[in-house]
Amino acid sequence: AQKVTQAQTEISVVEKEDVTLDCVYETRDTTYYLFWYKQPPSGELVFLIRRNSFDEQNEISGRYSWNFQKSTSSFNFTITASQVVDSAVYFCALSEWSRATSGSRLTFGEGTQLTVNP
Amino acid sequence: KAGVTQTPRYLIKTRGQQVTLSCSPISGHRSVSWYQQTPGQGLQFLFEYFSETQRNKGNFPGRFSGRQFSNSRSEMNVSTLELGDSALYLCASSLEVLSSYEQYFGPGTRLTVT
Repeated sequence: AQKVTQAQTEISVVEKEDVTLDCVYETRDTTYYLFWYKQPPSGELVFLIRRNSFDEQNEISGRYSWNFQKSTSSFNFTITASQVVDSAVYFCALSEWSRATSGSRLTFGEGTQLTVNP
Repeated sequence: KAGVTQTPRYLIKTRGQQVTLSCSPISGHRSVSWYQQTPGQGLQFLFEYFSETQRNKGNFPGRFSGRQFSNSRSEMNVSTLELGDSALYLCASSLEVLSSYEQYFGPGTRLTVT
């Protein structure tokens, strides 16, 4: 079974600080996809980034960047120059494909509550 | 393009009753998934539908069921409600059923069972 662990339950930073959210995953699949979602107080999960298992190139998109390391099964997410509007719960997720059912599912971590103070 | 819509947004039911939640996916999306979110268990996968067929199911009792219509809209039903069913139920849609596609979530239905 797949598992996603986000060890940081809560993080509190001051505006403009950089913050990194950690994610460790377990899977037996050789091909898989990793995602980060943001859940603001309104409750709707917002898709942020996706990464596939065979591309370890790290990228930057605006203030977001991610560090995918297959050797340590980690997929960390960094927000540069954090803003108050970044305050939300952030979820790391692993996508699993079932050949038996031709279906997929997302396995989520426990979430990290990020609070950015002015 | 309109996002995923869910109705109703809030619902209060009594133990033993049943409830039906509705989800309309993003136009053109053919896969719909449902998730339950609770403070204790976090986000848990319920089921996934594609082409009116259930493709995958999470570890939930048979009281939880769902279906998908030909226009990709989906409904989930919970019968004989229990207090523990109180949760935020999130619907997500994606273009296809493959795991590579990102899922886009609706605002959720907040169900309270008393």
